[in-house]
Amino acid sequence: DQQVKQNSPSLSVQEGRISILNCDYTNSMFDYFLWYKKYPAEGPTFLISISSIKDKNEDGRFTVFLNKSAKHLSLHIVPSQPGDSAVYFCAASVDAGGTSYGKLTFGQGTILTVHP
Amino acid sequence: GAGVSQTPSNKVTEKGKYVELRCDPISGHTALYWYRQSLGQGPEFLIYFQGTGAADDSGLPNDRFFAVRPEGSVSTLKIQRTERGDSAVYLCASSHAEDTEAFFGQGTRLTVV
Repeated sequence: DQQVKQNSPSLSVQEGRISILNCDYTNSMFDYFLWYKKYPAEGPTFLISISSIKDKNEDGRFTVFLNKSAKHLSLHIVPSQPGDSAVYFCAASVDAGGTSYGKLTFGQGTILTVHP
Repeated sequence: GAGVSQTPSNKVTEKGKYVELRCDPISGHTALYWYRQSLGQGPEFLIYFQGTGAADDSGLPNDRFFAVRPEGSVSTLKIQRTERGDSAVYLCASSHAEDTEAFFGQGTRLTVV
């Protein structure tokens, strides 16, 4: 049972344009969502997160949007740069007893390629 | 070092053998997590330590897998009677507490032949 799904295995974008990565989830108990970026032979690196009480969080070129009713979130990167080329993972966690809990459920990942 | 360190980087073992994978978390981080990433998939949760104790081991696939963190710092993931299906990248992550950002190591690529 894949509780977090990234249905696009890959995305190719021209430098300077917007990259939009999508993620869907099925577990309504998830209340904290994160995006991680992963380069080959490295561990995932935290990029940006959003709590379920918000619908948008922005950090520089990266913005995450959350639509709770649709159980959908997206990561927007604008403008995209060749250095953004990596695998992007969406992840979610459940608040356990009043504190967020680092046990994450990950999607399968989307390979982003930004062409110069 | 400043980051999460995992050793070895690569491990090739024969089916049926025992392996140990080591994780050195960031100094001072009390929370430690093990994940497993199979080819083409996202990381899957295995076990979570808060200090020395395993607070949640619900992700361990079966009793061939075991992890320890005896002094609340370094952790070892132990796999007995390895099977070819155990081949994956094993990732370790640590954080200050269970509600803060987790930092991942580079992983150990385990290949069972």
